[in-house]
Amino acid sequence: AQKITQTQPGMFVQEKEAVTLDCTYDTSDPSYGLFWYKQPSSGEMIFLIYQGSYDQQNATEGRYSLNFQKARKSANLVISASQLGDSAMYFCAMREGGNTNAGKSTFGDGTTLTVKP
Amino acid sequence: DSGVTQTPKHLITATGQRVTLRCSPRSGDLSVYWYQQSLDQGLQFLIHYYNGEERAKGNILERFSAQQFPDLHSELNLSSLELGDSALYFCASSVAGTSGEQYFGPGTRLTVT
Repeated sequence: AQKITQTQPGMFVQEKEAVTLDCTYDTSDPSYGLFWYKQPSSGEMIFLIYQGSYDQQNATEGRYSLNFQKARKSANLVISASQLGDSAMYFCAMREGGNTNAGKSTFGDGTTLTVKP
Repeated sequence: DSGVTQTPKHLITATGQRVTLRCSPRSGDLSVYWYQQSLDQGLQFLIHYYNGEERAKGNILERFSAQQFPDLHSELNLSSLELGDSALYFCASSVAGTSGEQYFGPGTRLTVT
């Protein structure tokens, strides 16, 4: 069965510093996608970044980058130059890409990030 | 704004009732996903439709059903509601079914009293 593990329930970072949020995953499906989402206190789910299991390069989107280590089954999110507005809950997720259960997604429990001024 | 719309934003109803949640995907997206977010269960995948066909099922109760219409909008029907069904229900969409970005709607907050 698919599983996503986020081991950091809460993290603190100083404004303008970089922070890494950890995510490990477990799947037997060779085809899958990995996602990170941000959920501020207002409740919406904001898509941040996507990495496909066959992508050779790590995904980057502005200040966000995904450190994808396939052999270790990890997909850590790196936020550079943290801003106060980055304070939120962050979810790592995986979506199956095979023929059965295509599109089935599993989410981690989330990491609450607090950016200090 | 993700481009995914959900109605209604809030819904308050009584136990035993039936409700319908509606979702319109982003223009051009063929896939629609439904999720439930509650304090005790976290974010749970319910079901995935691609171009009108059911592709994957997650932790969806038998009292819940969904469908995707020819115009690609989707509805999630929740019946015989229980207090434990109170949650935030999200719809998300993507172009393809199994790869690429997935964008969430603003959610429908369901309260069962």
